This record gives sequence, structure tokens and C-alpha cells, in this order.
Amino acid sequence: AQSVTQLGSHVSVSEGALVLLRCNYSSSVPPYLFWYVQYPNQGLQLLLKYTSAATLVKGINGFEAEFKKSETSFHLTKPSAHMSDAAEYFCAVSDFTGKLIFGQGTTLQVKP
Amino acid sequence: EAGVVQSPRYKIIEKKQPVAFWCNPISGHNTLYWYRQNLGQGPELLIRYENEEAVDDSQLPKDRFSAERLKGVDSTLKIQPAELGDSAVYLCASSSQQGLGYEQYFGPGTRLTVT
Repeated sequence: AQSVTQLGSHVSVSEGALVLLRCNYSSSVPPYLFWYVQYPNQGLQLLLKYTSAATLVKGINGFEAEFKKSETSFHLTKPSAHMSDAAEYFCAVSDFTGKLIFGQGTTLQVKP
Repeated sequence: EAGVVQSPRYKIIEKKQPVAFWCNPISGHNTLYWYRQNLGQGPELLIRYENEEAVDDSQLPKDRFSAERLKGVDSTLKIQPAELGDSAVYLCASSSQQGLGYEQYFGPGTRLTVT
């Protein structure tokens, strides 16, 4: 069975600081991995996805993630946090049908 | 292009009452998903449709939940009767096809509160 673990339910950074949100996965087959963002009272928006091509994936809004098979990780980073990045972030793994299995989510707080 | 539309956005009901949620997916999207998101958790799949056929309803509590997707477009998710534990956000998503790599587009969700 596939699963995702997000380390840290809350992350707080200062504006301009590095953002690092951690995600580890478990999958018996080569995984497809996703990061979604959810702003208050809105649906989920895809930030980026890994589909077995390049291990460093660039997404929207300056975010990127690196797939590391040896560490079963897919951490999300952004070099410089903006106030508008404050939101809930979800890591997800997809099974062969396209069904998404989500992690518990990480709330990102950005302090001025 | 219009996104996934859901209504109502908010619903408050008393326990044991029925409730229904409606979803209109992106035009042309054959695959439709209903997810439930409990407070502080990630979404969990309830049911997946391929056109009008429910191809994965293994996580749908069938004693009180039902869903339909008539004509393979709009979909309705119903709870009857609602319980306190059903309080959650119900998200609808659609994709052009099922399978790996096809992006799911999410609606804003319906926040259900059962009192």
C-alpha cells in the first residue's frame, strides 16, 4: 500500500527565508508524487508533480521539489518566502489508477 | 475555462437530517472524484467515476452515503442520515482521464457542519 508522511504539521518562517516542507513516501512501485497548496476556504491547487522524468521538479510560484529514491523523499522548497505563501501544503502519491493518497498536511506560516 | 463548481459552499444541519452536495466538473473531463477532508487532515477519496460508472467506491460508507453521476457530467453526493462525525469539507475534483499523471482539478469544497 502507498502512503505519505509529512514531517511537521506547522512550519513557521520569516519573510525572505528559505521554505522547506518535508515529505516521505512509501510505495511498492515507482511513484508519481505531487505537492498541492490549499488557501483558506479554497480547493487544492497543484504546485508541481514528479512523474519519473527529471528528479528536480519546478513548479508554480517559485517552488521546486527533489525526488530522492534512496531517501524515499520528495521535499518542497522555495528560496525566499513571501507573505502570500502562507497556506496549507499537501504531499500526495498516486496509485496506478490516478487515485491520490494525501499526507496530513503542513501549515506554513510566514512572519513579516 | 471555468473550474470545478460545487454547491452549496457551506451547509449546517442537525444530525439525522439528509444533505446533498452538487458538483459540476470541468467541461470534457470524464473522471470525477469525491473526497472528504476532515479538519487538520488531507483529503481521502470517497468515490471515483469514469463517465457515469462508479469505478472505485470502496471507501464510501454505503449505509448512509450515496452518489450518482447522471449522463456522466454533474454529480451529487448524498448523506442520509447525517451523523456528527460527518462534519468535514467535501471536495470534488475532475480530470480529463483516469490514470497516472493526469492532473486533478479541485473545486472549492462544501463545508458541512452537523450539530
